[in-house]
Amino acid sequence: GEDVEQSLFLSVREGDSSVINCTYTDSSSTYLYWYKQEPGAGLQLLTYIFSNMDMKQDQRLTVLLNKKDKHLSLRIADTQTGDSAIYFCAESMNTGFQKLVFGTGTRLLVSP
Amino acid sequence: DTEVTQTPKHLVMGMTNKKSLKCEQHMGHRAMYWYKQKAKKPPELMFVYSYEKLSINESVPSRFSPECPNSSLLNLHLHALQPEDSALYLCASSLGTFSYEQYFGPGTRLTVT
Repeated sequence: GEDVEQSLFLSVREGDSSVINCTYTDSSSTYLYWYKQEPGAGLQLLTYIFSNMDMKQDQRLTVLLNKKDKHLSLRIADTQTGDSAIYFCAESMNTGFQKLVFGTGTRLLVSP
Repeated sequence: DTEVTQTPKHLVMGMTNKKSLKCEQHMGHRAMYWYKQKAKKPPELMFVYSYEKLSINESVPSRFSPECPNSSLLNLHLHALQPEDSALYLCASSLGTFSYEQYFGPGTRLTVT
């Protein structure tokens, strides 16, 4: 199947680190992505990682990839209230074009 | 300009109506996409256009009819929809179909009554 799994909800306090986890399905996925969706809005690409990498850091964001376990995580350092949103991981399926298959989404709530 | 725009923002239509959703980008992207997102669910791909030609139709019912009149514009024509078609319809674009970065518009929230 094509289910990309994420935990439904995460609540943190402002200033803490947040870690959002994702388990994907296709070991041949070329790229893995993290998108952010604020209420009533479209999706914003936060970062992506190529499948031959283990880690990628981009300012407050750190992506870790464990290919053996097909596990992807997004760590947000110094989480702010503006980070409250739904976060989707996505894998690109090898179908002759970059077909994105999104995870179930994790709602992050940051309290002051 | 790194923006994908979509109109209208909200649309309410009856099951016998015909309406259209519009998407526009001026980034010179040659691949454009329609996604459907039901409440509390992830987006699901509907159609892919590459160089103004339909290249992928993910088994979408014929009551949804896409159109790409030029490289900047993508339409989704709606006819005889069902209440279960109510959703957020997202448009996206990328440099090409092998480009890793898709830019999404804000979506049109469609309610079918």
